[in-house]
Amino acid sequence: GQQVMQIPQYQHVQEGEDFTTYCNSSTTLSNIQWYKQRPGGHPVFLIQLVKSGEVKKQKRLTFQFGEAKKNSSLHITATQTTDVGTYFCAGHPPPMDSSYKLIFGSGTRLLVRP
Amino acid sequence: DAGVIQSPRHEVTEMGQEVTLRCKPISGHNSLFWYRQTMMRGLELLIYFNNNVPIDDSGMPEDRFSAKMPNASFSTLKIQPSEPRDSAVYFCASSNRQGLGTEAFFGQGTRLTVV
Repeated sequence: GQQVMQIPQYQHVQEGEDFTTYCNSSTTLSNIQWYKQRPGGHPVFLIQLVKSGEVKKQKRLTFQFGEAKKNSSLHITATQTTDVGTYFCAGHPPPMDSSYKLIFGSGTRLLVRP
Repeated sequence: DAGVIQSPRHEVTEMGQEVTLRCKPISGHNSLFWYRQTMMRGLELLIYFNNNVPIDDSGMPEDRFSAKMPNASFSTLKIQPSEPRDSAVYFCASSNRQGLGTEAFFGQGTRLTVV
């Protein structure tokens, strides 16, 4: 079946350093979504990318969708302790109109040293 | 809006007992998902419904697991009989699927411990 992998599995950074997580799907995705889960919490939606090569920014966070729509990345500039959590990518496999499945990646756990 | 509501928040049960997890999706949402989260396997999609109809239950691990959605405002996930390896956090999520996909809203989760 379709798999969505993320690397790295864990990342421990010093506050102020940058952080990047990469998401790779075994098949083409219709879209890519990113979620953040704080320790002990539930996943919370951050953003959705739909177009090939699309780039979106949210303050210190930059999201990118690959040209082949099989990979994506999330980059955080100058991490803060509030960025701690697990970041998941998730996507809908095509064809979009008939697929309601939302498959989550394996997640990257970010720890930030103050 | 109160968001997706799950109950109970925590459940501790003995092996062999029946467990029922409950979910109330956000009003007006037409898609509902059940996920299981463990350290080893991450977030696994168990089953999802669209307009109360189960669309894909290929993620349900065994016949011991069953899910129902009798109406648009309620869903259950049942495990009978439960086993220690079923211990995990179970999340319910809902979305209002229109156009090119929409975000999923998650409930707080049910932490299940089977001893």
